[in-house]
Amino acid sequence: AQRVTQVQPTGSSQWGEEVTLDCSYETSEYFYRIFWYRQLFSGEMVFLIYQPSFDTQNQRSGRYSVVFQKSFKSISLVISASQPEDSGTYFCALSELITNTGKLTFGDGTVLTVKP
Amino acid sequence: EAAVTQSPRNKVAVTGGKVTLSCNQTNNHNNMYWYRQDTGHGLRLIHYSYGAGSTEKGDIPDGYKASRPSQENFSLILELATPSQTSVYFCASGDLWGQNTLYFGAGTRLSVL
Repeated sequence: AQRVTQVQPTGSSQWGEEVTLDCSYETSEYFYRIFWYRQLFSGEMVFLIYQPSFDTQNQRSGRYSVVFQKSFKSISLVISASQPEDSGTYFCALSELITNTGKLTFGDGTVLTVKP
Repeated sequence: EAAVTQSPRNKVAVTGGKVTLSCNQTNNHNNMYWYRQDTGHGLRLIHYSYGAGSTEKGDIPDGYKASRPSQENFSLILELATPSQTSVYFCASGDLWGQNTLYFGAGTRLSVL
């Protein structure tokens, strides 16, 4: 069974600081993807970045990057130069490729507050 | 830009009543999904579909039915709504080919009284 855990229910930073949000997961599959989404205060879910399990290189997209530690089944989202507009809830989600259904298993999220 | 539209955005229903939540996507994605989100938690998968005419059970399908009459439309049906089904419901579409990012609708807030 797959499971995603985000142990930090909340986090905070000051404007301009780098923020790291942690996620761990359980899966018996070798091929999978880890996605990061941000939920705005309106409820909208916005895709940020994803990491395929077979890629040893940490993915980057703009101010977002990940630190992928496959052997520990953990992945962190790093937001550089955080801004108040980055505030919201961040979700980590796992998709197993072997079944190829595309469905995501989500963690419970981390609520980030970036202070001006 | 991917477009997934849900209706209604808010719904109040009575216990035992029938509720239908609708979702339309203009992305021409094969896959569509229904999730629910309870306060303070992540999204949990109810039903999903690979294409018109197909529906599959997700992780928490009890009390819900789904219908996929066309590529664009995917409905979630609560035949006998209960207060425990009060939640926010999200529809998403995705394409298995490529990176398979899911694109979400804005959500439907359902209250069952």
